[in-house]
Amino acid sequence: KQEVTQIPAALSVPEGENLVLNCSFTDSAIYNLQWFRQDPGKGLTSLLLIQSSQREQTSGRLNASLDKSSGRSTLYIAASQPGDSATYLCAVADADKLIFGTGTRLQVFP
Amino acid sequence: DAGVIQSPRHEVTEMGQEVTLRCKLISGHNSLFWYRQTMMRGLELLIYFNNNVPIDDSGMPEDRFSAKMPNASFSTLKIQPSEPRDSAVYFCASTYFGRVEDTQYFGPGTRLTVL
Repeated sequence: KQEVTQIPAALSVPEGENLVLNCSFTDSAIYNLQWFRQDPGKGLTSLLLIQSSQREQTSGRLNASLDKSSGRSTLYIAASQPGDSATYLCAVADADKLIFGTGTRLQVFP
Repeated sequence: DAGVIQSPRHEVTEMGQEVTLRCKLISGHNSLFWYRQTMMRGLELLIYFNNNVPIDDSGMPEDRFSAKMPNASFSTLKIQPSEPRDSAVYFCASTYFGRVEDTQYFGPGTRLTVL
């Protein structure tokens, strides 16, 4: 059974720092890996999707990497801003559903 | 497109009452997922449909929960009778079935409180 773990569970950093969020999964047979953002009281918004054949994806200040062999993904956020404060969830896809991690709650303070 | 639409946004009910949550998929999507989110258990998949057919309902907690897709664009999740432990935020999400390059699009959620 696929299990997805995220560390740290919470992170508080000053504005401007570069930071890394970690995601690990137990079964490397995945179709893709996705990173989502969730603001308080809101639904999830997709940030990046990495296909199983890819190693990384970039969108603006966000960069996500995927290492299937080791069962790991990282989300790198450059030059963090207070507006980045949210919960970040990773999810791995099997044939037709997503298995989510428990999330990292990020706070960026001015 | 308006995105995935859920109603109601908030629901407060008393134990034993029937609760119906509603979800409208994004136009053209053919796969629908119901999730439940709590602080203790995180985001849990309850059930999902492809082309209106329920594929996997192993996440449905018990027989008190049922879900339907009466047509290609609409789904309901019913809890009868409701219990305090059902209090959570319920999300639905939609996507294109079979296209692994596509992500899921989430609705804003329904916050359910059972007293």
